[in-house]
Amino acid sequence: SQTIHQWPATLVQPVGSPLSLECTVEGTSNPNLYWYRQAAGRGLQLLFYSVGIGQISSEVPQNLSASRPQDRQFILSSKKLLLSDSGFYLCAWSAQGKRENTIYFGEGSWLTVV
Amino acid sequence: AQSVTQLGSHVSVSEGALVLLRCNYSSSVPPYLFWYVQYPNQGLQLLLKYTTGATLVKGINGFEAEFKKSETSFHLTKPSAHMSDAAEYFCAVSPNTGGFKTIFGAGTRLFVKA
Repeated sequence: SQTIHQWPATLVQPVGSPLSLECTVEGTSNPNLYWYRQAAGRGLQLLFYSVGIGQISSEVPQNLSASRPQDRQFILSSKKLLLSDSGFYLCAWSAQGKRENTIYFGEGSWLTVV
Repeated sequence: AQSVTQLGSHVSVSEGALVLLRCNYSSSVPPYLFWYVQYPNQGLQLLLKYTTGATLVKGINGFEAEFKKSETSFHLTKPSAHMSDAAEYFCAVSPNTGGFKTIFGAGTRLFVKA
């Protein structure tokens, strides 16, 4: 069966510091990969998605970037964090070639920028 | 363009009472429909989905949802609420033309009173 893991689970970072959140998927190949952000009390905002290695699409212009160095690895980064980057970040995957595009989520990472 | 509306950001029920969480969508053609549950500080877990076929869909934890094309609705129900059902619930829509632009509703927080 497929599993998805992301880390770290919790992160407290000062303003201006860098960020790296990592996500890996197991049990499937060539998945679609996603990064979402969930601000406190709000719904889900799609930040990035990827259909293959090195292929990244950004949904929202911002201070963050994403990379996919391997088929099942997805990384969310920032060179300099802002206070507004605080939130709950969710990595997710879906199977390529399936019209219904069911999305499966990781456990989430809490980021607090202070 | 597709959209999803969840009526009521907060719903409160007594333990043992019927749970009804409302979801309406806007789409030019019937989409694929999903319900997810999110417990505090966790990722989203798939409850159930409608793709094709039977319009009444059964999911995990005793939940079910019915796709009503004429009403463009996909309401989530459970006959008898349990304390453990307290969580946030998200309705989501994915276009049936394929692709990966799944849209999530703003979420409904369910409170269960003893």
